[in-house]
Amino acid sequence: QKEVEQNSGPLSVPEGAIASLNCTYSDRGSQSFFWYRQYSGKSPELIMSIYSNGDKEDGRFTAQLNKASQYVSLLIRDSQPSDSATYLCAFDFQGAQKLVFGQGTRLTINP
Amino acid sequence: DVKVTQSSRYLVKRTGEKVFLECVQDMDHENMFWYRQDPGLGLRLIYFSYDVKMKEKGDIPEGYSVSREKKERFSLILESASTNQTSMYLCASQGPPTYEQYFGPGTRLTVT
Repeated sequence: QKEVEQNSGPLSVPEGAIASLNCTYSDRGSQSFFWYRQYSGKSPELIMSIYSNGDKEDGRFTAQLNKASQYVSLLIRDSQPSDSATYLCAFDFQGAQKLVFGQGTRLTINP
Repeated sequence: DVKVTQSSRYLVKRTGEKVFLECVQDMDHENMFWYRQDPGLGLRLIYFSYDVKMKEKGDIPEGYSVSREKKERFSLILESASTNQTSMYLCASQGPPTYEQYFGPGTRLTVT
């Protein structure tokens, strides 16, 4: 079983709609979860971190964590063309400081 | 804001050359990481360091070595560059209290 599963996409969403990105993980000992945004040719940029079950909102972004079901989601409200990027989920493996990264979901926002 | 810088954005080297990639962070973080990123393979951890003069192998250390003589600086060394080491190399820094990882801009290395 892979440590992390993330739909590679591409995911296409119309401008102004909600984009929903999902990630499942295998390690029940994980404590910290992160979402990164990566534009083509650039390095990953941290956009959200979440540590406890439930929702965490930051502007147009909402991260959702469900440890019992072992998934983490990222919702982007009022999607903009500038949100078009690859989104990587990451989590700490067995509570260690080393992170495990998903392969990334490529998101395209259509004007 | 955390700032992580890498010595070069683009680098072209010949097969067999010794290559040094440098990474500097300004947040006094203990932990630093080197990854490579290739299409279809995602981010792969090469080496990491939890403190000065400490290093641990990641998932793909073969063909690489590292050096951490000062807390703010973590160097990746390709002892004898090969064409299969052509890749995007990313450095990251991490520290308390959140242990979020912050990436540098990356170095796109081409070995010919």
